Amino acid sequence: DVKVTQSSRYLVKRTGEKVFLECVQDMDHENMFWYRQDPGLGLRLIYFSYDVKMKEKGDIPEGYSVSREKKERFSLILESASTNQTSMYLCASSLGGRVGNEQFFGPGTRLTVL
Amino acid sequence: AQKITQTQPGMFVQEKEAVTLDCTYDTSDQSYGLFWYKQPSSGEMIFLIYQGSYDEQNATEGRYSLNFQKARKSANLVISASQLGDSAMYFCAMKSLSGGYNKLIFGAGTRLAVHP
Repeated sequence: DVKVTQSSRYLVKRTGEKVFLECVQDMDHENMFWYRQDPGLGLRLIYFSYDVKMKEKGDIPEGYSVSREKKERFSLILESASTNQTSMYLCASSLGGRVGNEQFFGPGTRLTVL
Repeated sequence: AQKITQTQPGMFVQEKEAVTLDCTYDTSDQSYGLFWYKQPSSGEMIFLIYQGSYDEQNATEGRYSLNFQKARKSANLVISASQLGDSAMYFCAMKSLSGGYNKLIFGAGTRLAVHP
């Protein structure tokens, strides 16, 4: 079974802190994704990576950066957390290229910024 | 622009009955794929079913089927014989050639409540 794990289920941080969210997948997938989920908005793509050290901006990259130093690990970084970044963050991974390849999701991290 | 629209914020259904969750999409690509995911209260997204734009038959997976009407750009999810465990958020999503077959575009979701 594909497994995508995220470092924390719940996280509380203060405004201005640097926040790291870690995601690890165990199925050798090329693609990894970070989404944020807000009520009424569905999931919105922040960044995705299609290979080690490769990344591409999604729809809402402002205030975020990412790092992919190893194939199995994809990190989301909030350089200076703000209250409007309070949200559920979901990581996903998939094989590349074919339209039918589904994304496999981690359990999510609910981040609260005070 | 590519877009997924789910017009039903909430639905309820009686246990053992069938329910249809609506999804319409917008894309200018000829090649695309449509997905449905379930998100229980635990938060994890669970893949349910996939339909390719060139697939001639509607996709089915157990109690889930996808009513694909290409000309109307709709991809409704049908859940037959609803169970209490079907209570969850359901998301319709799409990826297409112009997204490199990688990026998923999600709708806002429909919350389904199954009543005993």
